[in-house]
Amino acid sequence: SAVISQKPSRDICQRGTSLTIQCQVDSQVTMMFWYRQQPGQSLTLIATANQGSEATYESGFVIDKFPISRPNLTFSTLTVSNMSPEDSSIYLCSVPMSGQSEKLFFGSGTQLSVL
Amino acid sequence: SQKIEQNSEALNIQEGKTATLTCNYTNYSPAYLQWYRQDPGRGPVFLLLIRENEKEKRKERLKVTFDTTLKQSLFHITASQPADSATYLCALENYGGATNKLIFGTGTLLAVQP
Repeated sequence: SAVISQKPSRDICQRGTSLTIQCQVDSQVTMMFWYRQQPGQSLTLIATANQGSEATYESGFVIDKFPISRPNLTFSTLTVSNMSPEDSSIYLCSVPMSGQSEKLFFGSGTQLSVL
Repeated sequence: SQKIEQNSEALNIQEGKTATLTCNYTNYSPAYLQWYRQDPGRGPVFLLLIRENEKEKRKERLKVTFDTTLKQSLFHITASQPADSATYLCALENYGGATNKLIFGTGTLLAVQP
């Protein structure tokens, strides 16, 4: 199993500011996924972070709003830019299980509140 | 578009009984379906995966069924315990996407009363 460390675990931010969320994995992985879980909603995939290439964003999500870095095979960051109260959500990173790529490991998430 | 539906209302059951959670999907024929458990303040944890050619899968007190005709999966917890209280999510692969891109249902909150 993979151990995923996500920081910060929670934050309260002012409207218009940006927050960068870090995701560290204890093993090398090719793909890392960033999900958003809005209150009472299902997990929604924001983007897939691939090492050495641009992230692939899902419909409704754009790089200017959610820039992603993937400097190596164990680390990724997601930035939530120019935040508004609608960005209040839980943000989760996840990685496929080694040898069983259909299944995902998740970090513990970042609870973001925007005032 | 693909749609996954789970009971939005919380399921309250007595300890020792069997909990049954439902996942229905439309506009899709997935090769497999997964169930995850999510506790408050934590990320989802993988429980079981069942493939389209499997009718049933078991793991300890957990059982999953997959009816591709009804487009439905049932998730059972037998001899339920208060520690089983959590939100349970079903997930399908994202049609047309990479194998490990999943879409999730909204989850069903299970509360097991002692």
